Amino acid sequence: DQQVKQNSPSLSVQEGRISILNCDYTNSMFDYFLWYKKYPAEGPTFLISISSIKDKNEDGRFTVFLNKSAKHLSLHIVPSQPGDSAVYFCAASSGNTGKLIFGQGTTLQVKP
Amino acid sequence: EAGVAQSPRYKIIEKRQSVAFWCNPISGHATLYWYQQILGQGPKLLIQFQNNGVVDDSQLPKDRFSAERLKGVDSTLKIQPAKLEDSAVYLCASSVGGETQYFGPGTRLLVL
Repeated sequence: DQQVKQNSPSLSVQEGRISILNCDYTNSMFDYFLWYKKYPAEGPTFLISISSIKDKNEDGRFTVFLNKSAKHLSLHIVPSQPGDSAVYFCAASSGNTGKLIFGQGTTLQVKP
Repeated sequence: EAGVAQSPRYKIIEKRQSVAFWCNPISGHATLYWYQQILGQGPKLLIQFQNNGVVDDSQLPKDRFSAERLKGVDSTLKIQPAKLEDSAVYLCASSVGGETQYFGPGTRLLVL
């Protein structure tokens, strides 16, 4: 039972363009969502989060959008840079339990 | 501020052997998590500690996996005996409360 899904295993974009990574979830009890970035041989690094009471959160080049009715969230990176090339995981939790459910990850490649 | 520390970084063992991983969380973080990440998948929570008490171990294969967090600081995760399917990256994370988690670099385990 995959409660959090990232249906695109990989994404390739040109430097300077927008990267859009998508994530779908099935559990309507999820109320907190996070994006993590992971480089090879390193642990995931926290990127940005959003509470279910919001529909948008922005931090520099990174913006997360939440559509609760569609149970969908997306991460926008503008402009994309080669250093953004990594695996991106979305994760969800409910009720401040701290238990994160992760998606499978999307590998982003930003070409110079 | 020092991040989450883990050791060893890599371990190769034969099946049916035992292995132990160590984690030291960020200072002051009361909550500690162990995740298993199999290649091509997102991290999966094995066990969550609040100080030195277990909050959630529903996904921990208790016939072979054990974990402890004595004194509410560092933690060890043990596998005994190991199986081929235990080959994965074992990630430790910590948080102040129940939301944003910060990950260590992980221990890459290969069971032959």
